[in-house]
Amino acid sequence: LAKTTQPISMDSYEGQEVNITCSHNNIATNDYITWYQQFPSQGPRFIIQGYKTKVTNEVASLFIPADRKSSTLSLPRVSLSDTAVYYCLVGPAYSGAGSYQLTFGKGTKLSVIP
Amino acid sequence: KAGVTQTPRYLIKTRGQQVTLSCSPISGHRSVSWYQQTPGQGLQFLFEYFSETQRNKGNFPGRFSGRQFSNSRSEMNVSTLELGDSALYLCASSLEGRTDTEAFFGQGTRLTVV
Repeated sequence: LAKTTQPISMDSYEGQEVNITCSHNNIATNDYITWYQQFPSQGPRFIIQGYKTKVTNEVASLFIPADRKSSTLSLPRVSLSDTAVYYCLVGPAYSGAGSYQLTFGKGTKLSVIP
Repeated sequence: KAGVTQTPRYLIKTRGQQVTLSCSPISGHRSVSWYQQTPGQGLQFLFEYFSETQRNKGNFPGRFSGRQFSNSRSEMNVSTLELGDSALYLCASSLEGRTDTEAFFGQGTRLTVV
């Protein structure tokens, strides 16, 4: 499984766009990149997933350069409620006989300041 | 549709006792994974069940076990509890147990061992 590196913490003011970059130099050809959000004492929540280029949904965008060695989660106009830990995960879709698991790193603690 | 339900939400046990935690996945989901979250180690994979079969197991001692029933509900059991087992235990359900699809987490069971 590819190792991921993210900043430990980030601060942002309300209304700003936040970009969290994840480094995954050893990403494999069949690996997907997925981001989860977690609030204290709750389970992680899926935000967005991509394989290459750019993916956008109603809450975030995910930018993946051509070499796929990094990815950037972009949160537009953050609010106080976006204060959470954000995890970048990299892994294959399916490994046949069954090695499905989500491997979480330390994540990035985002603090949104009023 | 109903989300992932974990019971109980909170539990206090004494060292040496055993505990059983329950997880009801989203209807139709066949894969259930369990994770342990502690401040020091973060989110760690325990095991995954798919159609009543354990497909993958993380690096935890044999005191941690689980099972899945025909209706996809899953239980995990921890025997001979230790203080270090105090953690938030999370379960996640997904349709087929593929990393390229979304996993849905429950709110977790907060276990405190005294």
